[in-house]
Amino acid sequence: NAGVTQTPKFRILKIGQSMTLQCTQDMNHNYMYWYRQDPGMGLKLIYYSVGAGITDKGEVPNGYNVSRSTTEDFPLRLELAAPSQTSVYFCASSYGRGTEAFFGQGTRLTVV
Amino acid sequence: EDQVTQSPEALRLQEGESSSLNCSYTVSGLRGLFWYRQDPGKGPEFLFTLYSAGEEKEKERLKATLTKKESFLHITAPKPEDSATYLCAVRPNSGYSTLTFGKGTMLLVSP
Repeated sequence: NAGVTQTPKFRILKIGQSMTLQCTQDMNHNYMYWYRQDPGMGLKLIYYSVGAGITDKGEVPNGYNVSRSTTEDFPLRLELAAPSQTSVYFCASSYGRGTEAFFGQGTRLTVV
Repeated sequence: EDQVTQSPEALRLQEGESSSLNCSYTVSGLRGLFWYRQDPGKGPEFLFTLYSAGEEKEKERLKATLTKKESFLHITAPKPEDSATYLCAVRPNSGYSTLTFGKGTMLLVSP
């Protein structure tokens, strides 16, 4: 049972480059989330989705875009990478509003 | 605005020395309070969900409790393998009720 899978695990980008962080879950969860985690700052919500075709902004959405064409996949797009986007990114999913979220192993992104 | 404050930021214990971690929260109606464990370089791992004041959950050496304003994670006779960062999160009773996390408590248990 894979759970939430994120790729890649590590990535170095140059300023201005673009990339997509992939996230897929095999638990048939409706809700999916993207968080970033910076040292001493806790997890901050970037975007979330409550089902295929429905996405909404979280606390720190600037510089990111998402799409949700299927229940399983929730990719996060960085269009013009900036040093401020250096962080660890976590994707998560949950069955419903009141249930626990399950997290992937994270993507460590460095923008230089 | 929902807020979660965890204390202490870091805690160092000797093996077998019991203690508690605190999570204070303000939320517009609580749908659930969640505790997670996070090991270095890994994603958060779910531990407990608490839904109402007075509720308690236990798992091995960990016990989570909930009041109307805070939650405690009690660690009884900890072992070095309990060393990790413990995260608290709340889910409000409004809107799409996304999780708001605290900054975590880094626990180090020395043999």
